Amino acid sequence: QKEVEQDPGPLSVPEGAIVSLNCTYSNSAFQYFMWYRQYSRKGPELLMYTYSSGNKEDGRFTAQVDKSSKYISLFIRDSQPSDSATYLCAMSLHSGNTPLVFGKGTRLSVIA
Amino acid sequence: GAVVSQHPSRVICKSGTSVKIECRSLDFQATTMFWYRQFPKQSLMLMATSNEGSKATYEQGVEKDKFLINHASLTLSTLTVTSAHPEDSSFYICSAAEDTQYFGPGTRLTVL
Repeated sequence: QKEVEQDPGPLSVPEGAIVSLNCTYSNSAFQYFMWYRQYSRKGPELLMYTYSSGNKEDGRFTAQVDKSSKYISLFIRDSQPSDSATYLCAMSLHSGNTPLVFGKGTRLSVIA
Repeated sequence: GAVVSQHPSRVICKSGTSVKIECRSLDFQATTMFWYRQFPKQSLMLMATSNEGSKATYEQGVEKDKFLINHASLTLSTLTVTSAHPEDSSFYICSAAEDTQYFGPGTRLTVL
C-alpha cells in the first residue's frame, strides 16, 4: 500500500461545477497537509496548507482533513477553465523543513 | 507569498557535459531546500534534501556523485548534473522551506 493514494483522473467538469478532490493516506503520524496546483511544465503552486484535522477556506477553495479516517479533500466552488491543472496532495510529519510525501496528482479539466 | 526562482528554465546539452541549476528563495531565508525530479505525467520524486552549510541527504537510489548539491547560503542551492546522459532528461524542481515548502518554476533538462 502506498503512503498516499490519489486518483489520477482525468476529471472533467463543466464550468461552474463544484469539484471534489481527495487523497487517502496510511501513516497516522502525518500532521501537515497541503494541496498544490501544477500547470503543465510549471512548478507546483501552494493552494492550501492545514495542520491536523479540520476545515480551511480560502476564496473558492476549501480544504478538509479527517485524521480519524486518514482522508483529505479539496473542494473548488464555481470552477473556472483556468482551474484546469493537476492537483497534488502532499503531507508531512512536521512543518517546513521535512520532506513531503506526494500523491500522484489528479488532472482536472474544467470545460467552458 | 514566498517566491522561489530557478535558473535556467530550460537547458539542452550534449551527452557527457555537466549542467548546473540554481534555486533561490527571493523573499525569505531557507535553511533547507529540496530537489525533486518529475517525469511526464508522474508525481514529484524527492532526490535530496539540502541544508545550508552541510552535506545534502540523498534519497535511496539517487547517485550523490552524479547529482552534486551545494547549499552555500540561506537563499541559494545549486544542483549540478555531472556527465549528463539522455536518461537524465527530466523536469527538475526545487523547493525552499519556510512554514511549508514553496516550489520553484522548474528546469527542463534535455540531454541529446
